[in-house]
Amino acid sequence: EDKVVQSPLSLVVHEGDTVTLNCSYEVTNFRSLLWYKQEKKAPTFLFMLTSSGIEKKSGRLSSILDKKELFSILNITATQTGDSAVYLCAVEAFGFSNYQLIWGAGTKLIIKP
Amino acid sequence: DGGITQSPKYLFRKEGQNVTLSCEQNLNHDAMYWYRQDPGQGLRLIYYSQIVNDFQKGDIAEGYSVSREKKESFPLTVTSAQKNPTAFYLCASSPGQGRGLWGYGYTFGSGTRLTVV
Repeated sequence: EDKVVQSPLSLVVHEGDTVTLNCSYEVTNFRSLLWYKQEKKAPTFLFMLTSSGIEKKSGRLSSILDKKELFSILNITATQTGDSAVYLCAVEAFGFSNYQLIWGAGTKLIIKP
Repeated sequence: DGGITQSPKYLFRKEGQNVTLSCEQNLNHDAMYWYRQDPGQGLRLIYYSQIVNDFQKGDIAEGYSVSREKKESFPLTVTSAQKNPTAFYLCASSPGQGRGLWGYGYTFGSGTRLTVV
């Protein structure tokens, strides 16, 4: 059965710290891995990763994929209180007849001032 | 601005009642999805539709029904057969699976929080 596992499930750090969130997966017919940030309502897109070893970067956020070890990490440097959110990882994989997104449970990140 | 509109934001239902959650998009997306989100469980797929007048069950379709009569609209009905309907419901859309990597175009609505009273 296809699955996506995120760790840790929750994390509390102080403003200015650097955090690393993990997403591991076991799927057949992998096509891409996506990271989203969910603050209270709609998840918003952060990154899409398809190739191993190529870092995607957006400001203080960066992410990389390892297709050999089947995981991705999301790094946030110099964290701010606005980074507090649930971070969701999803893997796009080909199922029985079409592509599906398989979601992890999310990591709840709390940044203390 | 293009986007997805879900309504209502909050919904209260008495036990035994059916309720319908609205999802409308003006992105010209072919595919639409309904997810349920419970604390600590990520997103679980209820139903999805890749084209008008066609839809498929997701992982947790029991107790739910949908229709796709128009490209823009994909309403979800939570029936009385759904034993534990209290949850946060998210609607999403994407350009369609035949149009390359569609992860970039995957767009969410703001959600409806349903509570059974």
